[in-house]
Amino acid sequence: GQNIDQPTEMTATEGAIVQINCTYQTSGFNGLFWYQQHAGEAPTFLSYNVLDGLEEKGRFSSFLSRSKGYSYLLLKELQMKDSASYLCAVRSLSGGYNKLIFGAGTRLAVHP
Amino acid sequence: DTGVSQNPRHKITKRGQNVTFRCDPISEHNRLYWYRQTLGQGPEFLTYFQNEAQLEKSRLLSDRFSAERPKGSFSTLEIQRTEQGDSAMYLCASRHGGEGDEQFFGPGTRLTVL
Repeated sequence: GQNIDQPTEMTATEGAIVQINCTYQTSGFNGLFWYQQHAGEAPTFLSYNVLDGLEEKGRFSSFLSRSKGYSYLLLKELQMKDSASYLCAVRSLSGGYNKLIFGAGTRLAVHP
Repeated sequence: DTGVSQNPRHKITKRGQNVTFRCDPISEHNRLYWYRQTLGQGPEFLTYFQNEAQLEKSRLLSDRFSAERPKGSFSTLEIQRTEQGDSAMYLCASRHGGEGDEQFFGPGTRLTVL
């Protein structure tokens, strides 16, 4: 079956660093995405990993280990506007087509 | 604004009624996806179009659900004989088709079935 696990909630302080972990067990792994979703809004793309290692993009970095079925999203210099849900999504190749399988999301609360 | 639009943004209906939602993807994107999202959960895949062809449907998509993309541009999702369990946010996403291309999501249609 397909399974993606990430913590339900996290809290952090403005200016700090937070790491959101994601573990997955999926067939046909073909890449991992992180999306940010503010309450009542659509998900917006943050990062994509298909090979092992770290991808850095400004204050956001994402890491992937395919052998461990593990990824994390690292957010640095946290700002209040980073309070949102962070969705880990695995792209799975099945039946010749790719589709995204999302985790339930991690709700991050940033406080002063 | 990602460039993907959905209408209506909100829909309240009575159980048993039919509803139809529309999605307009980014114009050069040939791939279009529908998802359903309930509170506290991530989006769940419903169906996928490449151009006008519907290539995959989730088992979540019962006989009451049908989706079309007649000219390979906009898409519609219809739910017949709505049930209270259909209440959710229905999200549409599109992407261009390159290997690493991300999906761009629309703002969603929030359906409430009374």
